[in-house]
Amino acid sequence: DQQVKQNSPSLSVQEGRISILNCDYTNSMFDYFLWYKKYPAEGPTFLISISSIKDKNEDGRFTVFLNKSAKHLSLHIVPSQPGDSAVYFCAASWNSNYQLIWGAGTKLIIKP
Amino acid sequence: DVKVTQSSRYLVKRTGEKVFLECVQDMDHENMFWYRQDPGLGLRLIYFSYDVKMKEKGDIPEGYSVSREKKERFSLILESASTNQTSMYLCASSSPKRGASEKLFFGSGTQLSVL
Repeated sequence: DQQVKQNSPSLSVQEGRISILNCDYTNSMFDYFLWYKKYPAEGPTFLISISSIKDKNEDGRFTVFLNKSAKHLSLHIVPSQPGDSAVYFCAASWNSNYQLIWGAGTKLIIKP
Repeated sequence: DVKVTQSSRYLVKRTGEKVFLECVQDMDHENMFWYRQDPGLGLRLIYFSYDVKMKEKGDIPEGYSVSREKKERFSLILESASTNQTSMYLCASSSPKRGASEKLFFGSGTQLSVL
């Protein structure tokens, strides 16, 4: 059973609009969450993270929101740009454990 | 510019062959990881190492082994390749701080096909 779920395999957004990528988790022990971005033929690159003691973390155009009661996090990209077209992975960990648990990824397509 | 280098971009092997996947990092990182990525399953951890000659099993170690003889190099070994090991293999490294809160730096991946 997947502990981290990204239920949308793909998402298409108009350039300049907001992209919202969602991630749900089942393990209430998770205390750290990360988003990675992956272009074709490249490895994933770290994008942004959030600790469970926070409910929001912002870095430029990227904001991650955490709703612990709903076991849900989301990544907002505003405004969306063509270079944001990639696969986005959500990952979670607990107690500074090495073992990140990854979602299946969401392919974001930004339309010009 | 920091770098994690995987020796091959594409590999095609036959069932039963012994396969070596090599990974080298130039960031002096203590921690190194091997993942496989399959469609619909995300990344799954095979093995990791937090020091030279140290190794720990991840979620799916069966059918794999690893070697970390030098700090910068982490090798993944498929003793007898099988078709269900056809996958994208990703190597990663991270800073000396223990735990998952540090960023992972990934190589570009090796697409392995076992026929």
